[in-house]
Parts: sequence; structure tokens; C-alpha cells
Amino acid sequence: EDQVTQSPEALRLQEGESSSLNCSYTVSGLRGLFWYRQDPGKGPEFLFTLYSAGEEKEKERLKATLTKKESFLHITAPKPEDSATYLCAVTSGTYKYIFGTGTRLKVLA
Amino acid sequence: DVKVTQSSRYLVKRTGEKVFLECVQDMDHENMFWYRQDPGLGLRLIYFSYDVKMKEKGDIPEGYSVSREKKERFSLILESASTNQTSMYLCASSLRLAGATYNEQFFGPGTRLTVL
Repeated sequence: EDQVTQSPEALRLQEGESSSLNCSYTVSGLRGLFWYRQDPGKGPEFLFTLYSAGEEKEKERLKATLTKKESFLHITAPKPEDSATYLCAVTSGTYKYIFGTGTRLKVLA
Repeated sequence: DVKVTQSSRYLVKRTGEKVFLECVQDMDHENMFWYRQDPGLGLRLIYFSYDVKMKEKGDIPEGYSVSREKKERFSLILESASTNQTSMYLCASSLRLAGATYNEQFFGPGTRLTVL
């Protein structure tokens, strides 16, 4: 059964303190891994798509990487405005996207 | 920019009422989705549509139906609302490239539904 596990569930960082969020997955033939950011009471906002092991994508302070078993979302020198829940999702090429339960990130000034 | 809009941000209904949630996207996407999001359970797919009048059941379709009469509009219907349908409902859309369905999804702002 396809599954996505995100860790940690919650993370508190000081402003400027870099860290990584983990997304471990088991899927029968990965056809896409997606990262989203979700602010409280709002819909998820698309960040990155990764398709194959070794691929990396960057956007401002965020960098996503992918291996055959997991993906990392690296946050470099975070700011308070980076506080949000970060969601990971995978698909095996059907219309079904399997979502993790997310990592709640809080960046303190 | 892709824009997905949902008819209401907050909705309060009574048990047994018929509830309509509407979603509209403006980027000519073929695929549209309805999810519900509950704490600790993540996003769960209710229904998916890949074309006008076409639909597929997701993981939790019981108690729900959908309608897609126009490409840009996808409606979720709660036939007889129950308290266990209190949730955040999210609509999403995605572009379907030739033969592929695994593109990123773009989400609407969500509808927080409370059933009393």
C-alpha cells in the first residue's frame, strides 16, 4: 500500500537556524513527489515537484531533494514568515495523490 | 497564475440538509479533485474528475456525490449532511499532459463546513 510519513510532526526553530524536514514514502513506482506549504485556514500552496532520485529544486530559502526512499525539504536561515505546515505528497501515476500529515514549522524571531 | 476559487470560506448547516460546495478554476485544467482535510488524517480524496461529466470515486466517497457539467466547474454535494462530515473541504485542479496525470495540483482556499 502506498504510504507517506512526514517527520517531525512539529518543529520550532530560531530565526536563522537551518534545518530539514523529512518525507519518507513507499509507493509502487514513483511518478512524482510534491511539496506544499499550507498556512492556517488556507489551501495548500504548491512549492516543488520532484520526479527522479537525485533531483533537486530550490526556491528562495527552500531546497527539496529526492532519493529512492525519501525526500528532504531543507530550510536555510528561516524567517518567521516561513512558519507554516509543510505537506508532502506522492503519486504512482494514477489520479491518486497520497498525502502525509505534514510538519508544522514555527520560526521564532 | 492558476486560480482556484471555492464558493464559501465558512458554512454552517443542519443535519439532514443537502449541501452544495462549488469550485471554479480558470486555467483550463482537465483534472479536478475534492478532498477533505481532518487533523491527524491528512488530505483524503473524495472524488476526482478528468473531464466534463466524468468522475472517479476516491477513498471516501460515501455520503457525497459530484457534478461536472462544465470544464471549469466541479461541485461537491452532500446529499444529507451529517455531523461526521464537519471538516475542511479542499478543491484542487491539475493539468493533464498527454497520457499523464501526475502533475502538481493547485488548491482553492478551502471551505470550513460545520454540520450541527
